Amino acid sequence: EAGVAQSPRYKIIEKRQSVAFWCNPISGHATLYWYQQILGQGPKLLIQFQNNGVVDDSQLPKDRFSAERLKGVDSTLKIQPAKLEDSAVYLCASSSPGQAAYEQYFGPGTRLTVT
Amino acid sequence: AQSVTQPDIHITVSEGASLELRCNYSYGATPYLFWYVQSPGQGLQLLLKYFSGDTLVQGIKGFEAEFKRSQSSFNLRKPSVHWSDAAEYFCAVADYKLSFGAGTTVTVRA
Repeated sequence: EAGVAQSPRYKIIEKRQSVAFWCNPISGHATLYWYQQILGQGPKLLIQFQNNGVVDDSQLPKDRFSAERLKGVDSTLKIQPAKLEDSAVYLCASSSPGQAAYEQYFGPGTRLTVT
Repeated sequence: AQSVTQPDIHITVSEGASLELRCNYSYGATPYLFWYVQSPGQGLQLLLKYFSGDTLVQGIKGFEAEFKRSQSSFNLRKPSVHWSDAAEYFCAVADYKLSFGAGTTVTVRA
């Protein structure tokens, strides 16, 4: 079974530029999550999708971050414009519905450096 | 609100020695608890989980954890550490979403 795929793995941009990350979840997983992991901290949930609908985006900085999950499969997370404090690893995860929703499978992450 | 505290930022252990990582949670109801491991440059991998029942849970890679309600703890243990266990370990608690601790970095010395 293929795992969660993410690209790119690394990205370096200057502040005020825009950037986009892509995630392909495990086949059949209806729930998709985007996390931000700042160095020295645990992952923090940014947004959760159930199929192509948003379940929780309370921690997403909506003035600069946006995410979509068209057709309920792949997802894209965008930052525009980026700030220095956005430097972090962005993790995508997916899970099945029900209790198994807590068993999240994580991709390798995208390491973003904003200079 | 739910939260997790991992008191140890960094632990160094000799190969073959035992390992224990501490996790304390704050949650009003019966918690769902997890331990994840993150190797350098990798995503998080689920080691084990506790939902209910037996308070000693077994996981992958020879890890186990014990849920102690009276102490609000869910400590992770391994009897004999291998060099490949060097990684960062995260405890997490869930109600409608996962909340992670800050992590404990484990270094294994030969």
